[in-house]
Amino acid sequence: AQSVAQPEDQVNVAEGNPLTVKCTYSVSGNPYLFWYVQYPNRGLQFLLKYITGDNLVKGSYGFEAEFNKSQTSFHLKKPSALVSDSALYFCAVRDPISYSGAGSYQLTFGKGTKLSVIP
Amino acid sequence: DAGITQSPRHKVTETGTPVTLRCHQTENHRYMYWYRQDPGHGLRLIHYSYGVKDTDKGEVSDGYSVSRSKTEDFLLTLESATSSQTSVYFCAISVGGATYEQYFGPGTRLTVT
Repeated sequence: AQSVAQPEDQVNVAEGNPLTVKCTYSVSGNPYLFWYVQYPNRGLQFLLKYITGDNLVKGSYGFEAEFNKSQTSFHLKKPSALVSDSALYFCAVRDPISYSGAGSYQLTFGKGTKLSVIP
Repeated sequence: DAGITQSPRHKVTETGTPVTLRCHQTENHRYMYWYRQDPGHGLRLIHYSYGVKDTDKGEVSDGYSVSRSKTEDFLLTLESATSSQTSVYFCAISVGGATYEQYFGPGTRLTVT
């Protein structure tokens, strides 16, 4: 079974400082990994994904994530945080080996990390 | 929100009543999903669909049913609403294969009193 953990419920960072939101995963094969962001009273928005290739993935709004297979991690990063980055962030994983029926593509989500960027 | 609409956006209902939530997409995607979001649990999959009349259960399907009679519409029904089903419900679509991300609708906030 696939699973994902976000060890921090909340991350606080000062505006202009680098930010990191942590994610670790467990799958039986090579993972497909995703990051989403949710602003208040909105749906989830896709930020970036890792499928294969370069371990450093660049996404929307200046975010990037680093895939580390040995540590089974996929941490989200940004060099300089903005107040507008304050939101709820979700990591998700898809195990391409697991078969969940008739070609469905289920994602397993972490519980989310609330990022607060302090002016 | 990737051409996905959900209705209603807010609903308050009483325990024991049936409730149907609607997800509508405009881009003819094959895969559709229903999730619920609760504090401390993230998003959990309720049901999903891989085509018209083709559906299957997710992680938390008890007390829910779904139907998909047209490609563009995916309905979620709470057969007899309970207070534990108070939640925010999100519909999502996937554009294709396993490497493709999911796109989410704006959500429906459901309160069961």
